[in-house]
Amino acid sequence: KAGVTQTPRYLIKTRGQQVTLSCSPISGHRSVSWYQQTPGQGLQFLFEYFSETQRNKGNFPGRFSGRQFSNSRSEMNVSTLELGDSALYLCASSAGTVRGNEQFFGPGTRLTVL
Amino acid sequence: AQTVTQSQPEMSVQEAETVTLSCTYDTSESDYYLFWYKQPPSRQMILVIRQEAYKQQNATENRFSVNFQKAAKSFSLKISDSQLGDAAMYFCAYLTSGTYKYIFGTGTRLKVLA
Repeated sequence: KAGVTQTPRYLIKTRGQQVTLSCSPISGHRSVSWYQQTPGQGLQFLFEYFSETQRNKGNFPGRFSGRQFSNSRSEMNVSTLELGDSALYLCASSAGTVRGNEQFFGPGTRLTVL
Repeated sequence: AQTVTQSQPEMSVQEAETVTLSCTYDTSESDYYLFWYKQPPSRQMILVIRQEAYKQQNATENRFSVNFQKAAKSFSLKISDSQLGDAAMYFCAYLTSGTYKYIFGTGTRLKVLA
């Protein structure tokens, strides 16, 4: 099976712009979670989608949004970018039907906001 | 709100020796999962080991084992016979009860010395 893929791998944006990141889960997985990883902060949970519905949400401002398509692919959007949004954004997929199932992570998208 | 604390930002171990990484968490729940994830340099995060809170027996995966102390809310990872390939960031994670929302610690960077 192909692993979790994320595109693009690297992005450079300026303050005020918006950005869309994409995540393709492992075939058959219906749950996709998004995380923001910054040095010293670890991974912060953004949200989780299951079968096109947001099932769980972290404590991020409304500038961070996401969606999931019928093929389970997911996108994350950040509007009005701020310098503090510079981070590695990881997505993880799992079957999503049983709590505690292993999450499989993608390589991440490195976002730099100038 | 649940929190996960990894108090050791960095640890070093000699090849073939044993090292223990610490993790404590705060929760009022009784049903949850705990995980250790490994993030090698420039590589994808992978699951090392998983523990279900209702199981008293400590989880073991080859050279990796945990010391789960539920009353003390402690979940440490022991790596035996350390290998150069064990060098990575290690994250402790908590899965909240009834949700698919993961809470991660800030990570411990493990260096393995030849």
